[in-house]
Parts: sequence; structure tokens; C-alpha cells
Amino acid sequence: GAVVSQHPSRVICKSGTSVKIECRSLDFQATTMFWYRQFPKQSLMLMATSNEGSKATYEQGVEKDKFLINHASLTLSTLTVTSAHPEDSSFYICSASLPGYTDTQYFGPGTRLTVL
Amino acid sequence: KQEVTQIPAALSVPEGENLVLNCSFTDSAIYNLQWFRQDPGKGLTSLLLIQSSQREQTSGRLNASLDKSSGRSTLYIAASQPGDSATYLCAVISNDYKLSFGAGTTVTVRA
Repeated sequence: GAVVSQHPSRVICKSGTSVKIECRSLDFQATTMFWYRQFPKQSLMLMATSNEGSKATYEQGVEKDKFLINHASLTLSTLTVTSAHPEDSSFYICSASLPGYTDTQYFGPGTRLTVL
Repeated sequence: KQEVTQIPAALSVPEGENLVLNCSFTDSAIYNLQWFRQDPGKGLTSLLLIQSSQREQTSGRLNASLDKSSGRSTLYIAASQPGDSATYLCAVISNDYKLSFGAGTTVTVRA
């Protein structure tokens, strides 16, 4: 149980385009989802916390207009990287928590974004 | 702000040797501490979760200890196997349930 999927697993795009990454909880409803990014050889950094039906809470230093997060349903959150540039190339991982169990996060398999 | 450090950054051992991975954190006011495994280009697999009131947690060949007062946790892997080769991440869970990750220790077990 508690399976989280991400789509796509890998995406390559041209500089200036926008890319959408989906995060789904497959067998549970997730009121809270988290988005992280990971640069090579570095730790995962929390970008934002999204709660179903409300605006995402962004961590300090993360541009909310650059990284648009939508959590429109209890099983789906999306991260859109707008006007992507090569420095946005990274590994993006989402996680989700069961309602009432926000101390435990279940992680997706990640999405590798490469911006040319 | 919680800072999590993992030492060493990389480790290479022959098969059968025991592994000792270290994690330190700056703020001892933690909720839980969790160890993950990450294979190249993949997501995270949870290995062990230690609640702040616990001193250690065991699962099979894995044992993790926690000394909250000194801001340290250690992951022990007994009798290492080539399949244990991966990056191991330590994450501290704060009282607002946010995770702060270390940069990881990349382990190579040589057959």
C-alpha cells in the first residue's frame, strides 16, 4: 500500500518551454503532498508543500511563479516548471502523506528534467 | 535551520564487511529520524524510522541508532552484499513534519 507514482519519469525540453510533472497517490487519498528537487551529489531540498484545495506553501528561495504547483484532487498534484532554463535541470521527487499521518511521507520514483 | 551532514560521502568495502554510516544534525528538537536508500536515478526507499523517544531500530541486517542529545544517528549494515550498493540518505523530521536531508553516503560493495 501507499504507492506514489510520477509522470513522466524523464523529460527533455528546450529552453523557454514549460514542463508539467504529475504526482499521483495510487491507493490512498493524500491531503498533503510535497515537492523536492535534487541536484547531483546533493541532498533533497524541499521546494513546497501542497494541500488539496489550497495554495501551495513555498520554501524560502523558491520562486512560486517559476514553479507552479496545483493540488486539485486528493490523488493528484502537479508541478509546472515555467519557461524552463538549463539551470532548472534536476531530479524532481514528490511525496505524499496519508490523512492524519503527516509525519510519514511516501515518495514517488522521481522525474529527471533536462533543459537544453 | 536544521543542517544534516553525512560522513563519509562515499564508501567502498569488500563483500561481507560491516558498514557504518554516520549522520549528524544541528537541532536536537526533532520529531523522528529516517534512513532511506536511493538507487541511481530512482526514488527513495524507506529503510528505518526512529522516533525521537527511541534509541535504536532494527530490521534484518540493518540497525540504526539515535542519540538526540548529541545530534547523531548511525546506520549499521551487517555482512554487506553487492546488492547493498546504493546511496543512503539520512532525513531528520522536524516537529512541523518537514524533512531535512543529508547529501547521502554512496556505498559500493565489491564482490
